[in-house]
Amino acid sequence: DTAVSQTPKYLVTQMGNDKSIKCEQNLGHDTMYWYKQDSKKFLKIMFSYNNKELIINETVPNRFSPKSPDKAHLNLHINSLELGDSAVYFCASSQVHEQFFGPGTRLTVL
Amino acid sequence: EDQVTQSPEALRLQEGESSSLNCSYTVSGLRGLFWYRQDPGKGPEFLFTLYSAGEEKEKERLKATLTKKESFLHITAPKPEDSATYLCAALDNYGQNFVFGPGTRLSVLP
Repeated sequence: DTAVSQTPKYLVTQMGNDKSIKCEQNLGHDTMYWYKQDSKKFLKIMFSYNNKELIINETVPNRFSPKSPDKAHLNLHINSLELGDSAVYFCASSQVHEQFFGPGTRLTVL
Repeated sequence: EDQVTQSPEALRLQEGESSSLNCSYTVSGLRGLFWYRQDPGKGPEFLFTLYSAGEEKEKERLKATLTKKESFLHITAPKPEDSATYLCAALDNYGQNFVFGPGTRLSVLP
């Protein structure tokens, strides 16, 4: 069974489009996260949700919005995509501090 | 500003040649120091958590140690399957901000 899953695995889209990435965890964890890993492989936290409450919101553009319909899901919506948004996006979950990551979604903006 | 650096950027070892990876951190009160392994095209995989200076954790050929300013990941008699990028991350005392280092890319040659 996959612990943390993301869809899609690859996403290629044009500048200006709106897209979503879905994340689901079956570990029963209370906290979920979104990370961005750029071309230099730096992993930077974007958001975290704990029991449906946003508890971290790093200085990301407001074109990015996390949405959590329930404790097991944290989706990432991106509006008006820009070239600089191209990266690999990882979802993660944790119960205490140890995070379990999904396989990543490679987003390419043309 | 919280910061995590890692050295070396890349490391090539012969099978059986032991070595250490360094992670230096500057955070406003360290709540935890984490080590992850990331294989190409995959999400990071949790290895260790260290909470206080002097603490050590071991798993197979890996041993992580922590001081007040840095952490080391010691690899004893590595095998080719240990080849991966090793990431460390620091969690600040507020328990909300995970800061990842840029990683050390380890290659173990047979």
